[in-house]
Amino acid sequence: SQKIEQNSEALNIQEGKTATLTCNYTNYSPAYLQWYRQDPGRGPVFLLLIRENEKEKRKERLKVTFDTTLKQSLFHITASQPADSATYLCALLSNDYKLSFGAGTTVTVRA
Amino acid sequence: DADVTQTPRNRITKTGKRIMLECSQTKGHDRMYWYRQDPGLGLRLIYYSFDVKDINKGEISDGYSVSRQAQAKFSLSLESAIPNQTALYFCATQSGAESSYNEQFFGPGTRLTVL
Repeated sequence: SQKIEQNSEALNIQEGKTATLTCNYTNYSPAYLQWYRQDPGRGPVFLLLIRENEKEKRKERLKVTFDTTLKQSLFHITASQPADSATYLCALLSNDYKLSFGAGTTVTVRA
Repeated sequence: DADVTQTPRNRITKTGKRIMLECSQTKGHDRMYWYRQDPGLGLRLIYYSFDVKDINKGEISDGYSVSRQAQAKFSLSLESAIPNQTALYFCATQSGAESSYNEQFFGPGTRLTVL
């Protein structure tokens, strides 16, 4: 069966450190992989998209990698800040444009 | 004003009642989606629509129905609500343009409780 797995444990890190989140998938051949941020009580907000032929994508302090051989994406928040505290969702975009989401990883950045 | 709005934001209802959740968007997007979110399970797709005349079931459509009244409006109905439909419901939109980034834009959510 198809499965998307993100870090099951919440991530607690010190301000200024790098947070690394993992998204592993099985039985998907995604055209794209996306990352969203979700704050409590709010809808997810798109952050980054990486295509299957791209190894890495950056946006400000965010970096995403995509390894289709390992079937894994890593999401890095560098120089983390308390304002980065949120739940981060990975989502796989299939060729029919439907998104399948992971359960998310909650990140807390301590000042 | 928000690009994607949902009403109501919170609703408490009883088992067996008919409930309608509404979604409106001003983004001019053709594609609209309904998801539910449960703790530990992530977002799951209920129904989606690629244009006004196109309605498709998602992975968990049983017990739900939808109506795409216009490009801007997509409603989700629970014909006879049951307690395990208690969840957070999100509407989302997406551009259908080939050049689009394919990101989805989510509404603020409706928290539904079925007693």
